[in-house]
This record gives sequence, C-alpha cells and structure tokens, in this order.
Amino acid sequence: AQRVTQPEKLLSVFKGAPVELKCNYSYSGSPELFWYVQYSRQRLQLLLRHISRESIKGFTADLNKGETSFHLKKPFAQEEDSAMYYCALFGNEKLTFGTGTRLTIIP
Amino acid sequence: DAGITQSPRHKVTETGTPVTLRCHQTENHRYMYWYRQDPGHGLRLIHYSYGVKDTDKGEVSDGYSVSRSKTEDFLLTLESATSSQTSVYFCAILATGTDTQYFGPGTRLTVL
Repeated sequence: AQRVTQPEKLLSVFKGAPVELKCNYSYSGSPELFWYVQYSRQRLQLLLRHISRESIKGFTADLNKGETSFHLKKPFAQEEDSAMYYCALFGNEKLTFGTGTRLTIIP
Repeated sequence: DAGITQSPRHKVTETGTPVTLRCHQTENHRYMYWYRQDPGHGLRLIHYSYGVKDTDKGEVSDGYSVSRSKTEDFLLTLESATSSQTSVYFCAILATGTDTQYFGPGTRLTVL
C-alpha cells in the first residue's frame, strides 16, 4: 500500500522567512513524487516533480529515500505563496495524496 | 490546463436524486480519474479509467459509478445522492508518456 503523510495541517510564516512543508511517504517500489498547489477555489496545479529536479516559483524539493521524505522548501516566502499544498505519490497507475498543508504568509 | 473541462461547475441537489458529472478532455489521454476533495482528507480517488469501457475502483467508490464510452468523456454518477457526498469533485488526466496528472477546474456539489 502507498501512503503520503503531511504532518502539518496549517503553517504560518512571515514574509521573507524560509518555508518548509513536510512530506513523508510509504511505498515499496521506486517512488514518483509530486507537489501540487491549489490557490483559493482553483484547480490543483503541478508545482514540481522530483524527477525533473527543477525549481518552480522558487520552490525546491529533494527526495530523501533514507528518510522517505520529500519536503518542499523556499528560502524567502512571498505573500502570493499563500495556498494549499499537497504532496502526492504516483504508483500502481494511481496518485495518492497527503491531506494537505495550508500555508499562510503573514505580511 | 491540458484541455480538461468539467460540467456542471456548481450543482445543488436533494438527497435521493441521481446526479451525473461530466469530465471532458481534448487531447486523447488514455487515463482519466475522479477525485473528491474534503477538508482534512485531501483528495481521495473515487474511480479511474484506463481506456474506453475500462474502469476500476478507487479508495472511496461506494455510492458512485462511472462510464467511459468515448476517449474524451468520463462520467461520474451518483445513483442516489446523500449528504455525505457533498464535496468538490475533480477530474484528472494522466499525461501520455509521463507519470504526471493534470486537473480539471472542479465541480462543487451540494446535497441537501
């Protein structure tokens, strides 16, 4: 069985401060991991995929197989980063989501 | 947006009423998915399809059925809606040749 855990339901960070959203996973195979972002009442948008190792909107995430983690990081938070963030794992033809973290940037 | 649309975007219905939601895609992707989004639960898979007339259950399939008679359309039916099915429903496609899903705009369903 595959599982994704996001331990923080809510996270508040001051503008300009570093951001880290935690994600841990459980999967027997080689994981394909993603971060999605959802702005208020909009569709989910792909933020980044671990295999592409790219940085989108200043966010990065590194896959740590030893700790089974895929934490999302940004060095300097911006007000427009306020949104819901979901970590997800693709396996067995299906995407399994964590329960999400609502990030609020305090001006 | 990967050419994904959903209809209707909003619907209010009464308990016991049948409801059908439609997902339409324009790029001939093989895999399509239906999720529901609820506070505290994230997104949970209801059903998915891996081709015309080929479907399988997700983790929360009870009370839902699906059909896919054409590549571009994936229908989700609530045979007899209940208040517990009040939710936001998202459709998604799996981009061909990748492991990446793209999502539709969502349908907000309220069952009174």
